[in-house]
Amino acid sequence: EDQVTQSPEALRLQEGESSSLNCSYTVSGLRGLFWYRQDPGKGPEFLFTLYSAGEEKEKERLKATLTKKESFLHITAPKPEDSATYLCAVQAGYSTLTFGKGTMLLVSP
Amino acid sequence: DAGITQSPRYKITETGRQVTLMCHQTWSHSYMFWYRQDLGHGLRLIYYSAAADITDKGEVPDGYVVSRSKTENFPLTLESATRSQTSVYFCASSESGGSGYTFGSGTRLTVV
Repeated sequence: EDQVTQSPEALRLQEGESSSLNCSYTVSGLRGLFWYRQDPGKGPEFLFTLYSAGEEKEKERLKATLTKKESFLHITAPKPEDSATYLCAVQAGYSTLTFGKGTMLLVSP
Repeated sequence: DAGITQSPRYKITETGRQVTLMCHQTWSHSYMFWYRQDLGHGLRLIYYSAAADITDKGEVPDGYVVSRSKTENFPLTLESATRSQTSVYFCASSESGGSGYTFGSGTRLTVV
């Protein structure tokens, strides 16, 4: 059974204080690892897909990396508008996505 | 408007009533999905569809029924609503089985 564990459950940062969110996974035959952002009262919004260990992708202040057992979402010099819940999901073969429970990020001015 | 639309946005219903949540997408994506999101559980897959007239169960299908007669629509029906089905329901679509999902804005359902 595919499993996705995200840590920490919640993270509070000061504006400009860089940090990382973790997504560890166990899956047989990873096809892709996905990061989403979810704002309160809205649906998840797609950020990145990573396909193989060593791959990195960047978008503004966010950078996602992937190893064989985990992925990190690095947030550099965050701003209050980066506050959201970040979700990680994995896909094995041609199956559907399995999501973690998310990390709630709060960035204070 | 292009995109994926869910209706209603909010719904309150009584235990035992039948409720249908609607999902419509304008991209002609082959795949559509229904998830529920609850505190402490995250997003859990209820049902999905790979094409019109093809549906399959997800992790938590009990008490739910789906149909997909047209590519663009994927309604979710709660046959006899229970309090445990109080949740936020998200519909999503995907061009292929391996690409990222695009989610709707969700339906917040309360069963009293």
